[in-house]
Amino acid sequence: LAKTTQPISMDSYEGQEVNITCSHNNIATNDYITWYQQFPSQGPRFIIQGYKTKVTNEVASLFIPADRKSSTLSLPRVSLSDTAVYYCLVALGDRGSTLGRLYFGRGTQLTVWP
Amino acid sequence: AAGVIQSPRHLIKEKRETATLKCYPIPRHDTVYWYQQGPGQDPQFLISFYEKMQSDKGSIPDRFSAQQFSDYHSELNMSSLELGDSALYFCASSSGLAGGHEQYFGPGTRLTVT
Repeated sequence: LAKTTQPISMDSYEGQEVNITCSHNNIATNDYITWYQQFPSQGPRFIIQGYKTKVTNEVASLFIPADRKSSTLSLPRVSLSDTAVYYCLVALGDRGSTLGRLYFGRGTQLTVWP
Repeated sequence: AAGVIQSPRHLIKEKRETATLKCYPIPRHDTVYWYQQGPGQDPQFLISFYEKMQSDKGSIPDRFSAQQFSDYHSELNMSSLELGDSALYFCASSSGLAGGHEQYFGPGTRLTVT
């Protein structure tokens, strides 16, 4: 199981770009890197997922270097509503009975200030 | 778009009572996951089902049981409730099991044991 490590908290101001880096040194060949966002008392919400290089969608970009031992979630021009906990997760690939379960480690509390 | 439905949204029980939480996945999703999130903690995987069969088991107490029915909805049965069971219980669904599949979380059921 690949353990993930990310900063406990980060602060930013509205309009800035925020980059949250996560390390996952023991990631396996078939594992995916996935990021979720969670607001207080709400279920986590999928943000982005990638396997290697760069992935971009309408809300974020995910950068994964060739060795895949880390990844960086990039949020462009954050707003107050982006204040939330962000979880970096390694989604197990085809590993038999452990398919699909998500291991939530300590997420990053992002606070966006006006 | 249809989302994951959980009921009830709030539940108050006394110690040693039983509780049943229900989860209705997104239509055509065949996989259901249950997570528990205690106060100030990160979500912890409990159990999952794929095509009505248990596919994976995490840190679910023996006092808890769950199943997925023919219509793909799932129920988490909790007996001999303890104070420490007070938490948010999230259900998530996906199409397929492998790590590359995004999980969609429901709004959660807040269980309070007094």
